[in-house]
Amino acid sequence: DVKVTQSSRYLVKRTGEKVFLECVQDMDHENMFWYRQDPGLGLRLIYFSYDVKMKEKGDIPEGYSVSREKKERFSLILESASTNQTSMYLCATTRTNTGELFFGEGSRLTVL
Amino acid sequence: AQSVTQLGSHVSVSEGALVLLRCNYSSSVPPYLFWYVQYPNQGLQLLLKYTSAATLVKGINGFEAEFKKSETSFHLTKPSAHMSDAAEYFCAVSKTSYDKVIFGPGTSLSVIP
Repeated sequence: DVKVTQSSRYLVKRTGEKVFLECVQDMDHENMFWYRQDPGLGLRLIYFSYDVKMKEKGDIPEGYSVSREKKERFSLILESASTNQTSMYLCATTRTNTGELFFGEGSRLTVL
Repeated sequence: AQSVTQLGSHVSVSEGALVLLRCNYSSSVPPYLFWYVQYPNQGLQLLLKYTSAATLVKGINGFEAEFKKSETSFHLTKPSAHMSDAAEYFCAVSKTSYDKVIFGPGTSLSVIP
């Protein structure tokens, strides 16, 4: 089975802090995604990556950046956290040719 | 642009009753369609997917969905609800297996004993 591991399940940060959310997958999938989940809004795509060193903006990239130095690792960076970035963040990877997303358990970030 | 709507942010059913969760999509091309489930404090997992084969798709845990192109719908059903079905359900769409996936807002299912 595919395993997608997110480094932190719960984080509490202060406004202005730099935040790193890390995601590691063990199935050699090319494609990795970061979503944020908010009640009533579903999942919204922040950034995605089709290969190492490649990144594409999703629907809500403002205030975020990403890094993909190795195929198995995709990091989401909040350069200066703000209270409106309090949310659940979900990392996902896709199996080639099926479009099926495999998700990590999520990282719940609270920005005070 | 593609979009997904799910009618009803919250649905309650009695144990043993029919489960019907509604999903409508907008897409300019025949889409890939998915239903995902999220149990409390967990990530999402795939229930079932439609990829232009049979219009009636069977998934895990007794769920199934029917693709109706004329109605642009992909409603999720289960004949008899179990307590363990209580979760958040998301409908999703993508143009191809390589394209980004767009999610609906989700429907929270409660099962009453």
